[in-house]
Amino acid sequence: NAGVTQTPKFQVLKTGQSMTLQCAQDMNHEYMSWYRQDPGMGLRLIHYSVGAGITDQGEVPNGYNVSRSTTEDFPLRLLSAAPSQTSVYFCASSPGPRGETQYFGPGTRLLVL
Amino acid sequence: DQQVKQNSPSLSVQEGRISILNCDYTNSMFDYFLWYKKYPAEGPTFLISISSIKDKNEDGRFTVFLNKSAKHLSLHIVPSQPGDSAVYFCAAETNNNNDMRFGAGTRLTVKP
Repeated sequence: NAGVTQTPKFQVLKTGQSMTLQCAQDMNHEYMSWYRQDPGMGLRLIHYSVGAGITDQGEVPNGYNVSRSTTEDFPLRLLSAAPSQTSVYFCASSPGPRGETQYFGPGTRLLVL
Repeated sequence: DQQVKQNSPSLSVQEGRISILNCDYTNSMFDYFLWYKKYPAEGPTFLISISSIKDKNEDGRFTVFLNKSAKHLSLHIVPSQPGDSAVYFCAAETNNNNDMRFGAGTRLTVKP
């Protein structure tokens, strides 16, 4: 039982490049979310999904796209990376809507030059 | 607009003593409050929570107190242990967890 896995662990991009941050969970959770963590800001919700085929925007969605074709996977896409997207990204999953049931992945550290 | 604030970026306590981590919020619609613990290079893990209908919740060495009138909550760790050294995030949510907001975190260091 791997829980929530994220790849890559670390990535350096140049401004304007695109990439996909991968997130997978093996707990059959319906809810999945992407957060970013910046110094002095805590975690902020980017996008979330309440089930396969259903996604919605969180607090800071601009510059990011998501899709949820399967229950297990919830990739986060940066279409044209900007230095402001330098951050640590966490994926999370939960069986229900309450935060106490949320499991986080180990994070992806992204540096955009 | 940070709706959840942790004004102390760091806290250092001696092993065996009490650790008190504080959190303030501004949104009166929040009805559930959580504390997460985060070790380096790991994702946050849930620690303890409290509903707005309560003013105290206890789980072993961890107790969370909620003062709704002051929009303030605190996490007490007694006794503190070196393994408690981590970053602690306060979070608050409405009845839809997609509104969950996090504080900036407090780094707790427990010295042996």
